[in-house]
Amino acid sequence: ETGVTQSPTHLIKTRGQQVTLRCSSQSGHNTVSWYQQALGQGPQFIFQYYREEENGRGNFPPRFSGLQFPNYSSELNVNALELDDSALYLCASSLETSNRGTQYFGPGTRLLVL
Amino acid sequence: GENVEQHPSTLSVQEGDSAVIKCTYSDSASNYFPWYKQELGKGPQLIIDIRSNVGEKKDQRIAVTLNKTAKHFSLHITETQPEDSAVYFCAASITGNQFYFGTGTSLTVIP
Repeated sequence: ETGVTQSPTHLIKTRGQQVTLRCSSQSGHNTVSWYQQALGQGPQFIFQYYREEENGRGNFPPRFSGLQFPNYSSELNVNALELDDSALYLCASSLETSNRGTQYFGPGTRLLVL
Repeated sequence: GENVEQHPSTLSVQEGDSAVIKCTYSDSASNYFPWYKQELGKGPQLIIDIRSNVGEKKDQRIAVTLNKTAKHFSLHITETQPEDSAVYFCAASITGNQFYFGTGTSLTVIP
C-alpha cells in the first residue's frame, strides 16, 4: 500500500453539477498528478502540480482545474459535469528530486455522473 | 504526443507458466517506462520500471526489457501464481511529469 489517500471513495452527481476530489500525497512527496481512468482503459493524464504550481497538463478542457496546498495535498475540481466524466479519478504522488518520475497511486475516487 | 500500444488485452496462463506483455511507444524521446499492476477496486501499483539507459531489469520473478531502436518494451513474469492475476499497464514518460499509459492487459493465472 502507498501512503497516498483520496476522498471520497465514491461519488454520484448529476449532469451540470460541480465536484471536488481530494488527495493527500505520500509523506515527503511534493508532486501530485491527477489521472482519469474510464472503464476498461488506461489512466489519462489530466495535470500535475509541483510546489503549488501547475506543471504540465493533458488534453482536458478548462472545466478541469486543480489546486495544491502548502502541505502538498491537492484538489481536483470539475465544473459543468458531463456524462462522459464518469470514471475513476486517480492521484499519484512523487518526489521530484529522487527517483525522478516514479509515481505512486492512491486508490482512486469513482465518480458517476447521471 | 506519445502513443503507447499494449498487447495482448487479455492473457490466460497456467500456474507456473510464464507471461509476457508487450508495449510499443511512438516518441523516441521517452526515457522512463514503468509497469503497474491494478487489482479490482484499487489504484495502480508500481511493480517495476526501467530507464532508457538500461536494456533489462529484473526483480525476483519479474523482468522488463527495453529495445530503444524498435521502441518497444516488455514485461516478463515467470513462475506465475494465482495472486499475479490482475490488470497490468505499461506507461512511458518523456519529462517525468506526464505519463502515457497503455490500454491494459488482463492477466488470469489458472490454478
